[in-house]
Amino acid sequence: TQLLEQSPQFLSIQEGENLTVYCNSSSVFSSLQWYRQEPGEGPVLLVTVVTGGEVKKLKRLTFQFGDARKDSSLHITAAQPGDTGLYLCAGARNYGQNFVFGPGTRLSVLP
Amino acid sequence: GAVVSQHPSRVICKSGTSVKIECRSLDFQATTMFWYRQFPKKSLMLMATSNEGSKATYEQGVEKDKFLINHASLTLSTLTVTSAHPEDSSFYICSANRQSRGYTFGSGTRLTVV
Repeated sequence: TQLLEQSPQFLSIQEGENLTVYCNSSSVFSSLQWYRQEPGEGPVLLVTVVTGGEVKKLKRLTFQFGDARKDSSLHITAAQPGDTGLYLCAGARNYGQNFVFGPGTRLSVLP
Repeated sequence: GAVVSQHPSRVICKSGTSVKIECRSLDFQATTMFWYRQFPKKSLMLMATSNEGSKATYEQGVEKDKFLINHASLTLSTLTVTSAHPEDSSFYICSANRQSRGYTFGSGTRLTVV
């Protein structure tokens, strides 16, 4: 059983469209991170959220941590082919604990 | 900052031989590093946690004698795939966790066993 679930599993969209991917759990996390992994590379950290209800923006990417700290979403505005990759969320239940990774959402943005 | 270097990036080896993969933290000390395996179009699967100066902690189902981990210094962890078989072919990634900065991953090693 996955501690973290991500949806959708796969997403293919046209350039310029908006999209949202989700990271859900029945557990409460002290912090949650989002990573993007491009083919043949290691994941790269995008953001860390620690406060329930927190919203962080990174250019066209908007991250939200749920009020109850059990879920998170990543919204991409006007997607570009460069956004293509595997998006992973990772959560730590307590400070200092290792993070557990979700199964990922594989995004393909077509030109 | 927070760079993790992984080497080699690609390796092809014959069945029955052993392959060593290195993971180095270039600008920080990492008492703990993590080794993952990733199958095509799948997420990361944690194999083991590498602890400097002590034995690695392996996840359930990962063979300790098959995947030897050594973390002899604060900047280097190695993963040796022993007596490799074609089913060991995969993408192996290491990482180190800097509490305030998240996990920093190496660029991965594509292992192909022929």
